[in-house]
Amino acid sequence: GAVVSQHPSRVICKSGTSVKIECRSLDFQATTMFWYRQFPKKSLMLMATSNEGSKATYEQGVEKDKFLINHASLTLSTLTVTSAHPEDSSFYICSARGGGQGWEKLFFGSGTQLSVL
Amino acid sequence: AQSVTQLGSHVSVSEGALVLLRCNYSSSVPPYLFWYVQYPNQGLQLLLKYTTGATLVKGINGFEAEFKKSETSFHLTKPSAHMSDAAEYFCAVTPRNQGGKLIFGQGTELSVKP
Repeated sequence: GAVVSQHPSRVICKSGTSVKIECRSLDFQATTMFWYRQFPKKSLMLMATSNEGSKATYEQGVEKDKFLINHASLTLSTLTVTSAHPEDSSFYICSARGGGQGWEKLFFGSGTQLSVL
Repeated sequence: AQSVTQLGSHVSVSEGALVLLRCNYSSSVPPYLFWYVQYPNQGLQLLLKYTTGATLVKGINGFEAEFKKSETSFHLTKPSAHMSDAAEYFCAVTPRNQGGKLIFGQGTELSVKP
C-alpha cells in the first residue's frame, strides 16, 4: 500500500538554529500534503496545506515565516522551522493525499519529535 | 465552523470487555468521518472511515463505527478489547468540499487492563 516517509523521526537542536523535516510519498504522487503539529496529550492541529508547485496555505495563527513549507515535487514536501526556540518543541506530522486514490484516502508520516534546547 | 468532540479524554476497560469511544461532530451537512489510532511517538493509522453508503463501517483490528446522522455521532466500538488496543484514538472529519483537510477531535486514550 501507499507509504509516506517522514524524516528525521527525532531531532534535537539548539535555540536559534533551523531544522528541516522531510515528508516523502514513496509509491504515489502526492498532489497535496498537510502539516500538523501535536503537543503532548493534545490533538493534532493543522498548520498548513501545500499543493505541489504552489505556495502553502497556512492556518490562522501559524507564522509562515517561521514555518517554511516547500512542495517542489509530487513526492516531497519539506517543513523548515526557522530560528527554532524551545516553544517550537513539538511532534510534527505530515500527511499526503494522492489524486488517483480518492481524495479522502490520506496517508500519514510517522512523525518528527523536535526538541529545541 | 466544523468541530469534533470526543467525550472522555481517557477510557479504561478490562481485556475482553467492550470498547466504546464516543465522537460527535457539528455540521449541518454530514462530513466524511474517520477514526485514527496513534501509538506512542508514531504517526496515525487509519482504522476506518465513512464517506457514503452503509452507515455501519467495519475497520481494521476488529473495530467498527456507526454513522448516525440524527445524533451527529460516529462512535467507535470493538466487542472485545485486547491489550494491544491500548493507544490514543482520534476521531476526525473533513467537510466534503475541503479536499482532505482533517479536523481532529481531542483524542481519547484507551487503556486496557489485564
